[in-house]
Amino acid sequence: QKEVEQDPGPLSVPEGAIVSLNCTYSNSAFQYFMWYRQYSRKGPELLMYTYSSGNKEDGRFTAQVDKSSKYISLFIRDSQPSDSATYLCAHLAGAGSYQLTFGKGTKLSVIP
Amino acid sequence: DGGITQSPKYLFRKEGQNVTLSCEQNLNHDAMYWYRQDPGQGLRLIYYSQIVNDFQKGDIAEGYSVSREKKESFPLTVTSAQKNPTAFYLCASSPGLHNEQFFGPGTRLTVL
Repeated sequence: QKEVEQDPGPLSVPEGAIVSLNCTYSNSAFQYFMWYRQYSRKGPELLMYTYSSGNKEDGRFTAQVDKSSKYISLFIRDSQPSDSATYLCAHLAGAGSYQLTFGKGTKLSVIP
Repeated sequence: DGGITQSPKYLFRKEGQNVTLSCEQNLNHDAMYWYRQDPGQGLRLIYYSQIVNDFQKGDIAEGYSVSREKKESFPLTVTSAQKNPTAFYLCASSPGLHNEQFFGPGTRLTVL
């Protein structure tokens, strides 16, 4: 069983739509959760970082973590064409671990 | 202007040659990392370093070498022993334990 599962898409939505991106994970040691946005041929850009179950909001972005279900989500409100990118979820175990485990990414296209 | 720089942006290598990829950060971060990204595979950890003069192998260290002589620099050498070196290489850094990682812009290596 893969440690992190993420639907690769591609996902196409009209401009202004609410986007939901999801990851599931199997390792209960994961304590810290991140979402990255990666434009084509660029390095990943950190969007959200959280370590507790519940919601964390930053502008149009909301990260949701459910540790009991091992499920994390990223919601994008009022999506824009500039949101078109690949979104990567990443998880970090606690207890001194430095190693991030990444999902393979979901490719999102926001159509004007 | 703080950040992570990688050079060169594009690199071409003949088979049998060693090449060194540069990574510099001015964020005063203790930890640095090297990842490899291939289409459809997600990011995979090559090496990481928690402090100067110390580094650890990641999941795919074979055919690679690193050094950490200065806090701000973490160069990666791709040796001729790496059987499939063509990929997008990403350097990252983090303040320390359990912190989010920030990525550089990447170096695309092509073996001719």
